[in-house]
Amino acid sequence: TQLLEQSPQFLSIQEGENLTVYCNSSSVFSSLQWYRQEPGEGPVLLVTVVTGGEVKKLKRLTFQFGDARKDSSLHITAAQTGDTGLYLCAGPLTSTQGGSEKLVFGKGTKLTVNP
Amino acid sequence: NAGVTQTPKFRVLKTGQSMTLLCAQDMNHEYMYWYRQDPGMGLRLIHYSVGEGTTAKGEVPDGYNVSRLKKQNFLLGLESAAPSQTSVYFCASSPREQFFGPGTRLTVL
Repeated sequence: TQLLEQSPQFLSIQEGENLTVYCNSSSVFSSLQWYRQEPGEGPVLLVTVVTGGEVKKLKRLTFQFGDARKDSSLHITAAQTGDTGLYLCAGPLTSTQGGSEKLVFGKGTKLTVNP
Repeated sequence: NAGVTQTPKFRVLKTGQSMTLLCAQDMNHEYMYWYRQDPGMGLRLIHYSVGEGTTAKGEVPDGYNVSRLKKQNFLLGLESAAPSQTSVYFCASSPREQFFGPGTRLTVL
């Protein structure tokens, strides 16, 4: 079974601080996705990383896919209160038939940015 | 485009009652999914569909049934609700990345 472990589980920081959250697996993934979920809402896709070693930037958010495609990280620079939410990583789950229509999700990192 | 919509947003049931959750998407996606989200457990896949008229079991299918009679709709049924089914339910549709609805918060007393 492909599993994604996210750390830390909870993170509480002050506005303006930097932070990094991690998504790790013992399995190789063809790609990884990052979602953000705000309280009372559904997850929203932030980015998909596909190539080992790839770095993608979304304003103050930097996403990196590990060289071996087993892990990913999300770094936030100068966090703002609007960054508060649950950050989920997800990867395609390969079925026995070879399809990848399902995703496996990590349990998430709950980030709180205090003013 | 409304994206993915879910009805109802909230519901309280008594043990043994039945109900149907409706998911609709207007993006012409083939794949649709039902998840439940519980504290400390993350998102767990209940059932999914890879196209109109098809359904398949996910990680936690027991106690739930689904139907995909039309491409744009995916229904999740609880035949006899149990307190263990108290959760937040999310529907998603996908070409590859998943687009989620706003969720249904269900409480079973």
